[in-house]
Amino acid sequence: AQRVTQPEKLLSVFKGAPVELKCNYSYSGSPELFWYVQYSRQRLQLLLRHISRESIKGFTADLNKGETSFHLKKPFAQEEDSAMYYCALISSGSARQLTFGSGTQLTVLP
Amino acid sequence: DAEITQSPRHKITETGRQVTLACHQTWNHNNMFWYRQDLGHGLRLIHYSYGVHDTNKGEVSDGYSVSRSNTEDLPLTLESAASSQTSVYFCASSDRGNSPLHFGNGTRLTVT
Repeated sequence: AQRVTQPEKLLSVFKGAPVELKCNYSYSGSPELFWYVQYSRQRLQLLLRHISRESIKGFTADLNKGETSFHLKKPFAQEEDSAMYYCALISSGSARQLTFGSGTQLTVLP
Repeated sequence: DAEITQSPRHKITETGRQVTLACHQTWNHNNMFWYRQDLGHGLRLIHYSYGVHDTNKGEVSDGYSVSRSNTEDLPLTLESAASSQTSVYFCASSDRGNSPLHFGNGTRLTVT
């Protein structure tokens, strides 16, 4: 069974500091991984996906198959980055369900 | 613009009552999903549908049912509401298996 683990429920950093939100997964096939973000009082939205290998709002995430990780990073956090972040995995094959981690609440302090 | 809407935004009901949460999308997406969001658990899949008349159970389907009579709607029914079903419910849709999900604004359900 596929599983996504986000070990930190809460994470606080100061504005301008680097931030890393951890995500580990377990899946026997070739996963597709995503980061979703939920800003206060807004709906969940896609932040980035590993296959696009792009940087969104200064965030990047690299899939490390050896460590089964997909950590989200940003070199200089901004206050507007404060939000709930979810790592998610979609399985290959016919039943392509999206499985979410438990989420990390990021707070960027002024 | 295409969108996905959920109603009601807030609902308070009593234990044992039947409750239906609505989800309507105008993306013309085949895939629709219901998740519940709970502190410490993240989002957990309740039911999902890959097309009209198709429904499937997710990770936490007990006590819930869905039906898909058209492309646009996937209502979620709680047959007999329980306090453990107090949660925030999110509906989502996508057009292909690996496409990003588009989420609704959520419904906050309280079962007293």
